[in-house]
Amino acid sequence: RKEVEQDPGPFNVPEGATVAFNCTYSNSASQSFFWYRQDCRKEPKLLMSVYSSGNEDGRFTAQLNRASQYISLLIRDSKLSDSATYLCVVKWDNYGQNFVFGPGTRLSVLP
Amino acid sequence: NAGVTQTPKFQVLKTGQSMTLQCAQDMNHEYMSWYRQDPGMGLRLIHYSVGAGITDQGEVPNGYNVSRSTTEDFPLRLLSAAPSQTSVYFCASSPTLGRQGSAGNTIYFGEGSWLTVV
Repeated sequence: RKEVEQDPGPFNVPEGATVAFNCTYSNSASQSFFWYRQDCRKEPKLLMSVYSSGNEDGRFTAQLNRASQYISLLIRDSKLSDSATYLCVVKWDNYGQNFVFGPGTRLSVLP
Repeated sequence: NAGVTQTPKFQVLKTGQSMTLQCAQDMNHEYMSWYRQDPGMGLRLIHYSVGAGITDQGEVPNGYNVSRSTTEDFPLRLLSAAPSQTSVYFCASSPTLGRQGSAGNTIYFGEGSWLTVV
């Protein structure tokens, strides 16, 4: 079983749609959680960290369910510029550097 | 505001050749790492370093060497290139000993190096 799994995608949605990405992780000792965005032929960049209480940044909302070892990302009112691959990233502890990346889910927002 | 800088961006090698991918960061990060990214495989850790003089193997270390003589630099050496090493390589850095839950305790990537081995 992979340590971090994501929806296989791709997701093709019209502009203005709401889209949700799901991620599960296997290591219950994981401490930090992130969503990264990767544009085609570019490096991954931090989109947002994910906190236990859930957090929102504009049109983006991230949720964490530690009991189910599940992370989600919700994008509301999708824009063409949201088209990218979204990577779920889990870190085992806050003092080591064990970042584990999911395979990513590709999103295409269509006009 | 350089961050993590990788060179070269593109390289074509013949099987058996050796080469070094350069990586430098100017954020005084102790942790540096190299990943390769292949279609459908996600990012896989090759080697990492938690400080100058300290390196360790990641998930896919075979065929690669690293060294960390300074905090800033972390070169990746391909010893004898093989077609299976055709990939995109990303260097990354992160501050260590981050505060628990700190949003700053994340990882920053260079722009990537596209390597083709023929």
